[in-house]
Amino acid sequence: GQSLEQPSEVTAVEGAIVQINCTYQTSGFYGLSWYQQHDGGAPTFLSYNALDGLEETGRFSSFLSRSDSYGYLLLQELQMKDSASYFCAVRTGTYKYIFGTGTRLKVLA
Amino acid sequence: EPEVTQTPSHQVTQMGQEVILRCVPISNHLYFYWYRQILGQKVEFLVSFYNNEISEKSEIFDDQFSVERPDGSNFTLKIRSTKLEDSAMYFCASVAGGTGELFFGEGSRLTVL
Repeated sequence: GQSLEQPSEVTAVEGAIVQINCTYQTSGFYGLSWYQQHDGGAPTFLSYNALDGLEETGRFSSFLSRSDSYGYLLLQELQMKDSASYFCAVRTGTYKYIFGTGTRLKVLA
Repeated sequence: EPEVTQTPSHQVTQMGQEVILRCVPISNHLYFYWYRQILGQKVEFLVSFYNNEISEKSEIFDDQFSVERPDGSNFTLKIRSTKLEDSAMYFCASVAGGTGELFFGEGSRLTVL
């Protein structure tokens, strides 16, 4: 089977740094994406890692280790508006994107 | 900025009725998808579509489901005989290529009574 596991919930305070982990087991791997979803909204793309290492986009960074089947999303300088659900997603060879279980991030004032 | 559009935003139907959800993907994108999300749960893959045919489908996508691209712009998901458990948000998405960036529509909420 295929699985992408994430912590169900993470809580942090404004201004803090938080890391959301994703471990995956899939048949075929071409890259790991991260998406943000606010309540009632659609998932929106944050980042994509096809190669090992760290990708930085503003306050958000994403890391991938293909040998460990592991990645994480790092959010810095947390703001209240970052309160949302975050999903990792694996792209398989057939252009199929499978989503993880999702992590609900609560940012406290 | 180009976007994926979906209609209707919300549909209420009786169990056993047919439902068609419509999507207009971004025009120069090549791959199209339908995903389903039950409230509070993860985004589940239903089907991918490329070059006017199904590329891959999940075990959820049984004979009750079908997809079609009737013209150059629309992409539809049909559920032939809805069940209570089909109540969910259905998202259409498209991607240009290997960037890993899926563009999602705002979703169609289906409520089956």
